[in-house]
Amino acid sequence: QPALTQPRSVSGSPGQSVTISCTGTSSDVGGYNYVSWYQQSPGKAPKLIIYKVNKRPSGVPDRFSGSESVNTASLTISGLQAEDEADYYCCSYGGTYTWVFGGGTKLTVL
Amino acid sequence: QVQLVQSGAEVKKPGASVKVSCKASGYTFISFYMHWVRQAPGQGLEWMGIINPSTGETNYAQRLQGRVTMTRDTSTNTAYMELGSLTSEDTAVYYCARGVVGVDTPFDHWGQGTLVTVSS
Repeated sequence: QPALTQPRSVSGSPGQSVTISCTGTSSDVGGYNYVSWYQQSPGKAPKLIIYKVNKRPSGVPDRFSGSESVNTASLTISGLQAEDEADYYCCSYGGTYTWVFGGGTKLTVL
Repeated sequence: QVQLVQSGAEVKKPGASVKVSCKASGYTFISFYMHWVRQAPGQGLEWMGIINPSTGETNYAQRLQGRVTMTRDTSTNTAYMELGSLTSEDTAVYYCARGVVGVDTPFDHWGQGTLVTVSS
């Protein structure tokens, strides 16, 4: 049972926006501003797209944005493109040098 | 550029151990943490543990305590993850992933993954 709860799937049409939620507790998401998000295409290693809740590594389009409220973090993808179709995972620092992942969300671009 | 190159696929029998390597290049090995993350077939990501290559200090996920050992060789810039007492539930792709020192930027670069299959 993953420590963080994500919807199993979301979908959207090209050009639309989608938001993926990631719910934890005050021991992880709510206790630290250290949520990160990863994009994983089939057969590939995950790729970091958001860190520290809302920071983007260089090269990640600004269509990807992150936010957090209390115990829930969110990833929003605006201007959806076909290439965004992938699995998305959230991750939070859990204290004492431990990390926890969400169960993952499959994004389908219709 | 940062590269993490992992060892090849393994097939192990239940009860055996497996050791996966992760050779780092393109950055100063001892200036970043190394995490290990695994993914069972069709499942999500699971954090396994972390090693500080500078000091060798480790911290493991509680559910793997006693079965997992992470080490490093600073002369070859290589991190290792050994998992013992394997069962079929350990069948997964194992990834190494670099982490910025501190806790705010984990997993900024990933290895290609190593498939470990546990089967009798």
